[in-house]
Amino acid sequence: RKEVEQDPGPFNVPEGATVAFNCTYSNSASQSFFWYRQDCRKEPKLLMSVYSSGNEDGRFTAQLNRASQYISLLIRDSKLSDSATYLCVVGAGTASKLTFGTGTRLQVTL
Amino acid sequence: DGGITQSPKYLFRKEGQNVTLSCEQNLNHDAMYWYRQDPGQGLRLIYYSQIVNDFQKGDIAEGYSVSREKKESFPLTVTSAQKNPTAFYLCASSSRALHGNQPQHFGDGTRLSIL
Repeated sequence: RKEVEQDPGPFNVPEGATVAFNCTYSNSASQSFFWYRQDCRKEPKLLMSVYSSGNEDGRFTAQLNRASQYISLLIRDSKLSDSATYLCVVGAGTASKLTFGTGTRLQVTL
Repeated sequence: DGGITQSPKYLFRKEGQNVTLSCEQNLNHDAMYWYRQDPGQGLRLIYYSQIVNDFQKGDIAEGYSVSREKKESFPLTVTSAQKNPTAFYLCASSSRALHGNQPQHFGDGTRLSIL
């Protein structure tokens, strides 16, 4: 079983739609969770950290479910510019490395 | 502006040649990382360093070497022992965390190809 698993997609949605991605992780000791965005042939960029209580940043909402070991990302009112690959990233603590999922591709269309 | 600078953007390697990828950061981050990304795949950790003069192997260190003589710099050498070096190489850095992990910030990458 992979340490971090994501549905590769692609998720094809019309502009204005709401879309959600899930990501599961296998290490129950994981402490830190992030969503990154990666555009084609570019570097990953931090989208948001994921906190235990859930957090929101504009149209983006992230949730953490420790019992079921998954995190989610909800995008409301999708824009064409949201088209990218979204990477789920998990860390097990200060001295550990981050583990990156392979990403979920989102394509927003007119 | 603070950030991470990788150079060159594109690099071509001949058979049997060692090449070095540069990574410099002015974010005053303690930790630095090297990843490799192949088409359609996730990031795989090559080496990382949490402090000057110390570094650890990641998941795919064979055929690579690094040094960390200065806080700002973490060059990666792709040796001739790395038989499949064609990939997108990403350098990242992060500050030290008291608890959990700090997010990593990436340079814009180096694309390495074999001639």
